Amino acid sequence: DAGVIQSPRHEVTEMGQEVTLRCKPISGHDYLFWYRQTMMRGLELLIYFNNNVPIDDSGMPEDRFSAKMPNASFSTLKIQPSEPRDSAVYFCASRAAESSPLHFGNGTRLTVT
Amino acid sequence: GESVGLHLPTLSVQEGDNSIINCAYSNSASDYFIWYKQESGKGPQFIIDIRSNMDKRQGQRVTVLLNKTVKHLSLQIAATQPGDSAVYFCAEYSSASKIIFGSGTRLSIRP
Repeated sequence: DAGVIQSPRHEVTEMGQEVTLRCKPISGHDYLFWYRQTMMRGLELLIYFNNNVPIDDSGMPEDRFSAKMPNASFSTLKIQPSEPRDSAVYFCASRAAESSPLHFGNGTRLTVT
Repeated sequence: GESVGLHLPTLSVQEGDNSIINCAYSNSASDYFIWYKQESGKGPQFIIDIRSNMDKRQGQRVTVLLNKTVKHLSLQIAATQPGDSAVYFCAEYSSASKIIFGSGTRLSIRP
């Protein structure tokens, strides 16, 4: 298996622009998570899906952030409009069942100038 | 996650020695724990896990110890190698979605 695949690996954009991050989870995994990692705050859970349905989005910072999972093999995290404080590494992770390990992608490093 | 990571604690170990990385967890109801390794430019990678009905689990060159009395988790790496250089995170599962990551420890290997 190729693991969790994220794209792009790096994104540099100007404040106010829309940013879309993409994730393909491991096939057969029913859970998908979006995390953000910064030096100041470490790993923060933004949202997670179970069977393509958003279950907990309490970590989404504000309305500028939205996430979708149109099918079992694809999810997007969108920021519109982006701000410099959104600069971070965004990770997607998937897992097969409730008490099983998360498998992370290699992240998207977002820089908003 | 609820970790704060402005200044990661660093463990410096001589190559070939054993490394012990410690983690205090917060919820006595947590029943599943995982250690992750994160190398520069990559996502956290699963190393080893342990459930709360165990107090020790061994993998290849790694051992995880769980002390539920004091809510403490440790990762032991035998014969540390340069490739072990990374940031190590513990994670506790207190519910299906409540996965709490520790702040991380940077392991540095001296030649």
